[in-house]
This record gives sequence, structure tokens and C-alpha cells, in this order.
Amino acid sequence: NAGVTQTPKFQVLKTGQSMTLQCAQDMNHNSMYWYRQDPGMGLRLIYYSASEGTTDKGEVPNGYNVSRLNKREFSLRLESAAPSQTSVYFCASSRGPATYEQYFGPGTRLTVT
Amino acid sequence: AQTVTQSQPEMSVQEAETVTLSCTYDTSESDYYLFWYKQPPSRQMILVIRQEAYKQQNATENRFSVNFQKAAKSFSLKISDSQLGDAAMYFCAYSNTGNQFYFGTGTSLTVIP
Repeated sequence: NAGVTQTPKFQVLKTGQSMTLQCAQDMNHNSMYWYRQDPGMGLRLIYYSASEGTTDKGEVPNGYNVSRLNKREFSLRLESAAPSQTSVYFCASSRGPATYEQYFGPGTRLTVT
Repeated sequence: AQTVTQSQPEMSVQEAETVTLSCTYDTSESDYYLFWYKQPPSRQMILVIRQEAYKQQNATENRFSVNFQKAAKSFSLKISDSQLGDAAMYFCAYSNTGNQFYFGTGTSLTVIP
């Protein structure tokens, strides 16, 4: 089992460009999450999907959109990238609500110039 | 919004010794869950230990144990017999019974041989 996979691992964008971060899990988990990690700030929840077909905002959703394509895949889209979105992005999944253990992907380091 | 505070940005411990990492949180809810996650230099987030707020007994996982003080809203992590592989960033996290998840800013642990 690969667990949680993320693509790409690294990305550099210019301000105003768009891109989609991909995430997939092979553990048949119901819930999936997107976080960003900035220096000195820990992880902050951007969006989550409690189950296939549902998505909800987390703590810092502005500037992002998500799609729960199916039970396995949960993508994060930046429509018009800004330097403030430079960060490391983590996808995670769990069997149920966030009270369960979350399994994290390896992260995507995004730089917006 | 709930907040999670880790007041020790950095800690160090001699190999084979014991170290305690501190965490406090703020919530008005009575039912919630607390976690400690480890992030080694590889960036992969790994669950160390989990505590349900309704359980009075402190959680233990091998060399890792917690001191959960619900009234004081304190959740510290004790690492016994520290090993070189314990060197990492440690994040305290809080989750309510839904899907909102809050992380602290982390404590960087150095293990001295």
C-alpha cells in the first residue's frame, strides 16, 4: 500500500498562475484533508472532505478550492497564486472524523514568486 | 476558535534520559481529542499518541506517555529513554468531534548522544 500520495513534490509558480495539487489515498478512508505548513505556525487546515461528495472550509480557506473527485482523490486548486500562498502543503486522510488518526502524505513545497 | 499553545520552541535531551514537552489548549467543549504528532526531517507526519478527553486515564504508547490535565487544559508528552531517532519536531493537536483540527506551533527536540 502506498498510503497517501501527493503530486507534485515541488512547484514554483509566478504570481497569478493557477495549479492543482493532487492527493490520493489507497486505505479506503472516508475523510480527507488539506493543510498548509508555514514556518513557526504549525499546520493549518484549509479544507476537508468528511465523505465522498462533501467538502467544508477549514481555518484558512481563502484563495483555494477543492474537489473530492471520488473516495480516493482530493485535489486542491489555486486559481490565482499569490506570494502569501508560498508554503508546504500536506494532504491527509482518516477512517472517519478528525477524532481518528490521520495519515499524512509527504507534502508539496510550493513557492510563488 | 480553539487554540493550541506549545511554549517551548526548542528542547534538548541526553540520549537515554527523559524529556517532557508541554502543550496547553483552549476550548469550551467537553468532548474532544488530543494528539501528539512527530515530524522528522523527512517531513512525514506520524501519530505518536492520542487521548480522548472523556477518558481520565493517561494514554501510553511504549516509551511515550501523556499527562492529561483536563481542568487545567494541559496535555504534556513524556518521552522516556530518549533515542537518537526521537529527534524531530513535535506537534500537539486538538480536534473536536467534527472535522476541525488545530495544531500548535511545534517543539523542536534535539537528542544529544
